[in-house]
Amino acid sequence: SQQGEEDPQALSIQEGENATMNCSYKTSINNLQWYRQNSGRGLVHLILIRSNEREKHSGRLRVTLDTSKKSSSLLITASRAADTASYFCAMISGGSYIPTFGRGTSLIVHP
Amino acid sequence: EAGVAQSPRYKIIEKRQSVAFWCNPISGHATLYWYQQILGQGPKLLIQFQNNGVVDDSQLPKDRFSAERLKGVDSTLKIQPAKLEDSAVYLCASSLRGPNQPQHFGDGTRLSIL
Repeated sequence: SQQGEEDPQALSIQEGENATMNCSYKTSINNLQWYRQNSGRGLVHLILIRSNEREKHSGRLRVTLDTSKKSSSLLITASRAADTASYFCAMISGGSYIPTFGRGTSLIVHP
Repeated sequence: EAGVAQSPRYKIIEKRQSVAFWCNPISGHATLYWYQQILGQGPKLLIQFQNNGVVDDSQLPKDRFSAERLKGVDSTLKIQPAKLEDSAVYLCASSLRGPNQPQHFGDGTRLSIL
């Protein structure tokens, strides 16, 4: 299965600190997407990075992709209490075009 | 732009009963997805539609789950009969044209089986 593995499963930090989450996968991908999910809500798309890209930015978010290591990371800089949520990576495999989500990282940012 | 609408938000039924969920995607989005999300896990794709055709339903338990997307717009997901292990949040999502574009999610239906 192409299911990704997020690391760590849980992360607790203070406001203002940076948060880094990692995602590893098994086979080749077309693209990898990061989503945020607040408690009791649906997922919200954050960033899509294609297999031929190495880094993308959006505001305080930075995503990197290393296809040789089959891994991606999401960095949230200067975190805020409002960033408290679960973060998921989703892989779109090269052949199947079926999105597969990891188990997620639960981030808690203390004010 | 209106988001993905789902109803109901919550549903409680007894095992062996049937239940149906409804989803209205973002206008113009060709691709529609149904996911099952068990507490503490990531969403698992149940079925993916492109317009009104099924792209993938390999993880849909077809002996009890069914889904349709008539006219390529709204979609319904049905469970009949429900089992205890079906307790989960059922999420609907849509994207403009396939999974290589961002998915937009509804807030889901939380299903509890007694």
